[in-house]
Amino acid sequence: EAQVTQNPRYLITVTGKKLTVTCSQNMNHEYMSWYRQDPGLGLRQIYYSMNVEVTDKGDVPEGYKVSRKEKRNFPLILESPSPNQTSLYFCASSSYRGNTGELFFGEGSRLTVL
Amino acid sequence: KQEVTQIPAALSVPEGENLVLNCSFTDSAIYNLQWFRQDPGKGLTSLLLIQSSQREQTSGRLNASLDKSSGRSTLYIAASQPGDSATYLCAVRDRGSTLGRLYFGRGTQLTVWP
Repeated sequence: EAQVTQNPRYLITVTGKKLTVTCSQNMNHEYMSWYRQDPGLGLRQIYYSMNVEVTDKGDVPEGYKVSRKEKRNFPLILESPSPNQTSLYFCASSSYRGNTGELFFGEGSRLTVL
Repeated sequence: KQEVTQIPAALSVPEGENLVLNCSFTDSAIYNLQWFRQDPGKGLTSLLLIQSSQREQTSGRLNASLDKSSGRSTLYIAASQPGDSATYLCAVRDRGSTLGRLYFGRGTQLTVWP
């Protein structure tokens, strides 16, 4: 089954404790992206990747890091989480061939930083 | 940079009504436009993808149209049902200054009551 898998789905952590949210897709997609969703602000893009070893900042990259060492994986790293990073996070992927690809989303990861 | 606007922000209708949800974008240089459905606390499910060369797409009771030159898309839902209650989001993939980036509207929250 074609899917985007995020882990963990739920996480409560404390300020400053490094964490990684993993994202994996099994559709051989070139494009992968991370979003955060907050009430009243909608979906905002954090980082995106056009292909392996190619990443770029979205609208709200501060406090986050990403890497794309393999095509299927695109982890989101919070080096020193702060309470303002409490949010619902989504990973998404699409085929980038001709920029026509349909975007597929993971189920989301709800992060709480105390 | 694209600005995507969805109107109305919320809509409450009785079962059986035909509905129109609107999405507008500021730059007509797009690759495609995609409509999503999101249930509370869940991920986004793709409903319809319209390429820039297309005028409309249909899936069951859903029909989406695209007028690229005027920067508008509409999602038509026929014979609405309580199970259609969700938030509907549109997203455009930019073909302009931010090549390949996706931009989301803030969504229309739909409630269909029996």
